[in-house]
Amino acid sequence: KAGVTQTPRYLIKTRGQQVTLSCSPISGHRSVSWYQQTPGQGLQFLFEYFSETQRNKGNFPGRFSGRQFSNSRSEMNVSTLELGDSALYLCASSPEVGATEAFFGQGTRLTVV
Amino acid sequence: AQSVTQLDSHVSVSEGTPVLLRCNYSSSYSPSLFWYVQHPNKGLQLLLKYTSAATLVKGINGFEAEFKKSETSFHLTKPSAHMSDAAEYFCVVSDLLGSARQLTFGSGTQLTVLP
Repeated sequence: KAGVTQTPRYLIKTRGQQVTLSCSPISGHRSVSWYQQTPGQGLQFLFEYFSETQRNKGNFPGRFSGRQFSNSRSEMNVSTLELGDSALYLCASSPEVGATEAFFGQGTRLTVV
Repeated sequence: AQSVTQLDSHVSVSEGTPVLLRCNYSSSYSPSLFWYVQHPNKGLQLLLKYTSAATLVKGINGFEAEFKKSETSFHLTKPSAHMSDAAEYFCVVSDLLGSARQLTFGSGTQLTVLP
């Protein structure tokens, strides 16, 4: 069974640009969550999607958004990039919303210059 | 509100000696607790989980953790460290907020294994 796939693995963007990251969950999993990992703040929850609906949202500005498609694949978008958005963005999938276990992808390393 | 405190940001042990990574949690309800490991430039891998069954939980690669409700602790142990155990370890608490689950991560413990 394939694991969680995140693309691309690495990205370099310029301040002010926007970026879209993609996550394909484990086959059969319908819940996808996104996390931001930085050296200063650690791992922080961004949002969770289930059945194409956002079910939970962390404490991030509106520049961070996401969506989920009918095949459970998810994208997150960050607009008007700031230097502080440089981070490892991790996606996790679970069979259902409220499931107790999450499976993580390898992440997308975003660098904003 | 739930929270997780990993008591040591760095732990250094010699190969073949025991490992102890400490974690305390705060949760309003009966939480689920996890330990994840992250090797450099990799995603997070689940080591073990506690979901209100046996309080002593065995995980992969010889790791285990004991849930102690009275102490609100979930410390991770391994009898004998291996060089490949060097990585960052995260203690995680999971609570249901309505129908949604939210994972709260500790700040991580960097484990160094000395030859």
